[in-house]
Amino acid sequence: DADVTQTPRNRITKTGKRIMLECSQTKGHDRMYWYRQDPGLGLRLIYYSFDVKDINKGEISDGYSVSRQAQAKFSLSLESAIPNQTALYFCATMGSGSGNTIYFGEGSWLTVV
Amino acid sequence: QKEVEQNSGPLSVPEGAIASLNCTYSDRGSQSFFWYRQYSGKSPELIMSIYSNGDKEDGRFTAQLNKASQYVSLLIRDSQPSDSATYLCAVRDDKIIFGKGTRLHILP
Repeated sequence: DADVTQTPRNRITKTGKRIMLECSQTKGHDRMYWYRQDPGLGLRLIYYSFDVKDINKGEISDGYSVSRQAQAKFSLSLESAIPNQTALYFCATMGSGSGNTIYFGEGSWLTVV
Repeated sequence: QKEVEQNSGPLSVPEGAIASLNCTYSDRGSQSFFWYRQYSGKSPELIMSIYSNGDKEDGRFTAQLNKASQYVSLLIRDSQPSDSATYLCAVRDDKIIFGKGTRLHILP
């Protein structure tokens, strides 16, 4: 089983609908992240969380919200989806030690029509 | 805004040759640096991490760090077609900041 699991892996939704992407991890990491990837734009950070009570905006948080339900769970919501939110979304985790790096889920393809 | 810069490519390298990928970063205080490989539509996977000035070798891969010049590079020796991918440079502080990636194409 993957250490970082994202659901759904693929979703097509209509403009204006609310959509939630869920992420769970078994690595025991305290830090969790949501990234968005678009062709030519690399990985852009949407939100990140250092623990259940800590939520921080990334560089492109507008139009998104998150919930850290438990140490192992971090969900991303699009309250009213729009077509330019069509992208590949990655959840990731990282331990707090200075030598730790980031581990990614398999990604969620979201298409807004 | 902390930044990580990479040439987007594509970088075309003949099979068996050395591929050289470069990255610069803006935060002089950065301490941890990573190279990831990403195949199209897949999640990034860690290739190398480097924390000290100099070279670090792992198989066909060598990471080079020069903190004075704020420069990180990745060398891939004996390039194989399976090395064709996008390579992401990343720098860690309280989160990880990624460059936009360099597309590498190994020519058979």
